[in-house]
Amino acid sequence: SAVISQKPSRDICQRGTSLTIQCQVDSQVTMMFWYRQQPGQSLTLIATANQGSEATYESGFVIDKFPISRPNLTFSTLTVSNMSPEDSSIYLCSVGGRYDTGELFFGEGSRLTVL
Amino acid sequence: GQQLNQSPQSMFIQEGEDVSMNCTSSSIFNTWLWYKQDPGEGPVLLIALYKAGELTSNGRLTAQFGITRKDSFLNISASIPSDVGIYFCAGLSGIQGAQKLVFGQGTRLTINP
Repeated sequence: SAVISQKPSRDICQRGTSLTIQCQVDSQVTMMFWYRQQPGQSLTLIATANQGSEATYESGFVIDKFPISRPNLTFSTLTVSNMSPEDSSIYLCSVGGRYDTGELFFGEGSRLTVL
Repeated sequence: GQQLNQSPQSMFIQEGEDVSMNCTSSSIFNTWLWYKQDPGEGPVLLIALYKAGELTSNGRLTAQFGITRKDSFLNISASIPSDVGIYFCAGLSGIQGAQKLVFGQGTRLTINP
């Protein structure tokens, strides 16, 4: 499986500010996925990020709120814009396995607390 | 959208007991995955199931892909303290290149020594 590093691992943010989360993978991958895990909840897919194209967002998530960059095959960023306390969550970056058999591997996540 | 119903939501057991949890859905999935998440960590893949009826083991863990492709279970035998955590099932659907992974609500396992 790939080694996935996320920064920051945690942060405390003020309402109305924006924060960019970075995800670095140790190998080239076609697709990267961003998930949100609200406190005590399961994982919800925010968007799929392909290199060289616009991210594909799931229902309930929009680009203005969660802009994503994918400048190359090993890196992606997710920005949480104009944050409110409801955005307090763990944000997780994930990538597929080498043989595209459907498994996803996750980074350790970025835990955001919005005051 | 697709939903997975995972049960139980939580379990409180004694060390050494066996554990069973399951996921059901009204939708068909191509692959079933089971993950474990420890506090402060991302989910870690435990077992992947690719065929209906498939039964797969990984140490003390055993999982099965339901014959209808709409359900899966995970068993843990002889539980130990490090089994504590949240277990998630996940189902994969869609065509290659446009597949999506849907997660269950999780089963929180607590073990009394």
